[in-house]
Amino acid sequence: ETGVTQTPRHLVMGMTNKKSLKCEQHLGHNAMYWYKQSAKKPLELMFVYSLEERVENNSVPSRFSPECPNSSHLFLHLHTLQPEDSALYLCASSQNPSTDTQYFGPGTRLTVL
Amino acid sequence: ILNVEQSPQSLHVQEGDSTNFTCSFPSSNFYALHWYRWETAKSPEALFVMTLNGDEKKKGRISATLNTKEGYSYLYIKGSQPEDSATYLCAPNAGGTSYGKLTFGQGTILTVHP
Repeated sequence: ETGVTQTPRHLVMGMTNKKSLKCEQHLGHNAMYWYKQSAKKPLELMFVYSLEERVENNSVPSRFSPECPNSSHLFLHLHTLQPEDSALYLCASSQNPSTDTQYFGPGTRLTVL
Repeated sequence: ILNVEQSPQSLHVQEGDSTNFTCSFPSSNFYALHWYRWETAKSPEALFVMTLNGDEKKKGRISATLNTKEGYSYLYIKGSQPEDSATYLCAPNAGGTSYGKLTFGQGTILTVHP
């Protein structure tokens, strides 16, 4: 497996459920990112991790909880989400969190009922 | 929060046409500009990272220029092909303590008709 992978690709959950999104990068990068794309809105940065340390939290509600156990894996834990959280969630990685090109995964399409 | 504007929002061209789009961003505190191509049901694909005023980069039939003093970048596609159909995104990086924080524009949706 190469590049950046994300699982699951599609997820439907109720507002009381707890679920997790998983991202794995096979590029040897040191930085990983979570992005959200809601309908008719630009891609929006949620979190940045550099060397497994969170360096950016873009005012994301606490019902989204990221976890970076090592430089290859990134999780987004979801709990008590709202229907307006339905969106495409993209993971990306880069060598360093600066001007380096970010490589994106295919995304998880999340629907909150 | 950076204000990033891309124009036009969408564009329909015939195969073989050349086309160009614009990305406008605040010129202050500029560090780098990224261009991505995003095809439906695929991952966004990096095209260019540009940092210097006057930079011009080329990848096949696609090229881009950068003007950091006035805060804009142009993306050109020469001889468009149907496989060029995608959303083209630009994202400036303000640098400094922004830790790779890219602010994406809404994108330009390009459709190339055979």
